[in-house]
Amino acid sequence: AQTVTQSQPEMSVQEAETVTLSCTYDTSESNYYLFWYKQPPSRQMILVIRQEAYKQQNATENRFSVNFQKAAKSFSLKISDSQLGDTAMYFCAFMKERGGADGLTFGKGTHLIIQP
Amino acid sequence: DSGVTQTPKHLITATGQRVTLRCSPRSGDLSVYWYQQSLDQGLQFLIHYYNGEERAKGNILERFSAQQFPDLHSELNLSSLELGDSALYFCASSPIGRGGYGYTFGSGTRLTVV
Repeated sequence: AQTVTQSQPEMSVQEAETVTLSCTYDTSESNYYLFWYKQPPSRQMILVIRQEAYKQQNATENRFSVNFQKAAKSFSLKISDSQLGDTAMYFCAFMKERGGADGLTFGKGTHLIIQP
Repeated sequence: DSGVTQTPKHLITATGQRVTLRCSPRSGDLSVYWYQQSLDQGLQFLIHYYNGEERAKGNILERFSAQQFPDLHSELNLSSLELGDSALYFCASSPIGRGGYGYTFGSGTRLTVV
């Protein structure tokens, strides 16, 4: 079974700063996908960024980027130029290959607060 | 609007009762996934249906069941409800074989058991 660990229950930074959220995972799979989801107060789960394990290049989406270290089983999320709207719960998630049939395994989440 | 529709948004019921949560996937998506989010357990995968057939089971209790209908909407049935079943229940969908691109989640159903 896979496990996903987010060691930072809560983080707080000033607007415009850069923040990094940590995530580690444990798996015996060689091919898999990793995701970061954002859950704002509206409760909606929003996909922020995804990474395919067989790709060495780190994924980026505008202000969001990841540092994927496959050997270390680490998948951190960096948010640059943070904005008030980035305040949310952030969940790291793992998916085995197989088209996602077996669902996502989520970490416990990090509550990120962006201060004005 | 994500394109995944869940009803009702809120549900309050008593212990021992049975409820049905409904999900309509995004247009064209054949896969529907159910997740439970609670303070104790976090986000947990419950079950996956693909084009009417069960594909995978996660941490779904025997008191819970689901089905997907020919029009692809899905229902999650929760019976003999207990206080601990109070949670946010999410439905998500994905296109065929493209779960690796991430799911689209609905806005959830908040279930409160009193």
